[in-house]
Amino acid sequence: KAGVTQTPRYLIKTRGQQVTLSCSPISGHRSVSWYQQTPGQGLQFLFEYFSETQRNKGNFPGRFSGRQFSNSRSEMNVSTLELGDSALYLCASSNGQEETQYFGPGTRLLVL
Amino acid sequence: EDQVTQSPEALRLQEGESSSLNCSYTVSGLRGLFWYRQDPGKGPEFLFTLYSAGEEKEKERLKATLTKKESFLHITAPKPEDSATYLCAVRGPNGGSQGNLIFGKGTKLSVKP
Repeated sequence: KAGVTQTPRYLIKTRGQQVTLSCSPISGHRSVSWYQQTPGQGLQFLFEYFSETQRNKGNFPGRFSGRQFSNSRSEMNVSTLELGDSALYLCASSNGQEETQYFGPGTRLLVL
Repeated sequence: EDQVTQSPEALRLQEGESSSLNCSYTVSGLRGLFWYRQDPGKGPEFLFTLYSAGEEKEKERLKATLTKKESFLHITAPKPEDSATYLCAVRGPNGGSQGNLIFGKGTKLSVKP
């Protein structure tokens, strides 16, 4: 079974731009969660989608948004990028809210 | 507030030198404690899920245990390929106060040959 895939793997943007990251979950998984990982803060929860609906949201500003499609693929968007948004963005999928989350390889975003 | 604290932050071992990593948590209504391994530049790789105090799980040289307030990841006779950052996470009654999973900062393990 193929694992969680994320595209692109690396991205360089400048301040003020916006970016869209994509995540394809494990086949059959309907829940997709997004996390931001930085050296200082570690892994922090952004939001979770299940059956195209946002089910949970972390403490991030409204510049961070996401969506999920009918095939469970998910995208997250960050608008008006700031230097502090430089991070590894991780996507995880699971069979449901009580199940183990499996992570993708991440998208490394660098904001200049 | 729900919290996960891992110790030590970094651990250096000689090959074959067994040790334990600690994960202390405060969460009301634990709905799962998770251990992941993360190599540099990669996503976390799932290792174990524990649900209730007294539960133990093993995989190769790793053994995870759970009490009401903490979890230990025991590494027996480690090899250099066990070098990685080990992450602990918990899920609370409503996914934790922050949402889904709450992660500790991790323990960076280095095993020297």
